[in-house]
Amino acid sequence: ETGVTQSPTHLIKTRGQQVTLRCSSQSGHNTVSWYQQALGQGPQFIFQYYREEENGRGNFPPRFSGLQFPNYSSELNVNALELDDSALYLCASSSFPSNRGDTGELFFGEGSRLTVL
Amino acid sequence: DAKTTQPPSMDCAEGRAANLPCNHSTISGNEYVYWYRQIHSQGPQYIIHGLKNNETNEMASLIITEDRKSSTLILPHATLRDTAVYYCIVRRAPIQGAQKLVFGQGTRLTINP
Repeated sequence: ETGVTQSPTHLIKTRGQQVTLRCSSQSGHNTVSWYQQALGQGPQFIFQYYREEENGRGNFPPRFSGLQFPNYSSELNVNALELDDSALYLCASSSFPSNRGDTGELFFGEGSRLTVL
Repeated sequence: DAKTTQPPSMDCAEGRAANLPCNHSTISGNEYVYWYRQIHSQGPQYIIHGLKNNETNEMASLIITEDRKSSTLILPHATLRDTAVYYCIVRRAPIQGAQKLVFGQGTRLTINP
C-alpha cells in the first residue's frame, strides 16, 4: 500500500459526457501527477500539480484539466469524453522539492478504470 | 528525457535470477536510471534507481555499464509474485524540475513454477 487512494475504482460513461476522478496523496506529499494508461501501453503523463497550480503538462488537450486542493488532494476532470479516453487513470504523489537522499520515487495509487461507450 | 529500449517479454524459472536488460544510449550526464514495475491491476511500484554506480536494495540490484548506455535489473531469487511488467525509465534528478516519468512499453516478466 502506497497511501495514495483513488476514487472511483471503476466507472462507465458515454461519449460526450464529463468525468471527475479523485486522488488523495500520501501524507506529507505536496505534488500530485496524473497518468493515463491505455490497455497494453505504459502510463502517459498528463500533468502535475504543485501548490495548487499546474506546473507540468504532457501532450493532452485542454479538455483534460485538474485541481489541487490545500490538503494536496487532487481531481482530474475530462470533458467531452471520447471513446479513446477509455483507460486506467493513475494518480501519483511525491514531495517537491525532494530532499537530498530521497529516492525521488513516485507513489502510485491503484487507479480509476474509465470506460467510455 | 532519454528514450529506453527493453525486450517486450521474458520468462524466468522460480528461484532463479531474473536479469532484465535496458538500453538508454542517449542518456545524458545528469539523468538517472529508474526501474518501476506494475503488477496486474495495480499502480506502478518503484524498485530502484542509480546514476553510474551499481546499486542494491532489498528488492533488486541495478548494474549500469561504465558508458551508462545500458543497464540490467537483477531480481536475485525470482518468485511468482515478481510476475509483472518492468519499466526502465531515464529521468533527471528528482530535485530538478517536474516529477514526470516517461514510460515505454516495458518488459513483461513471467516467473514460471
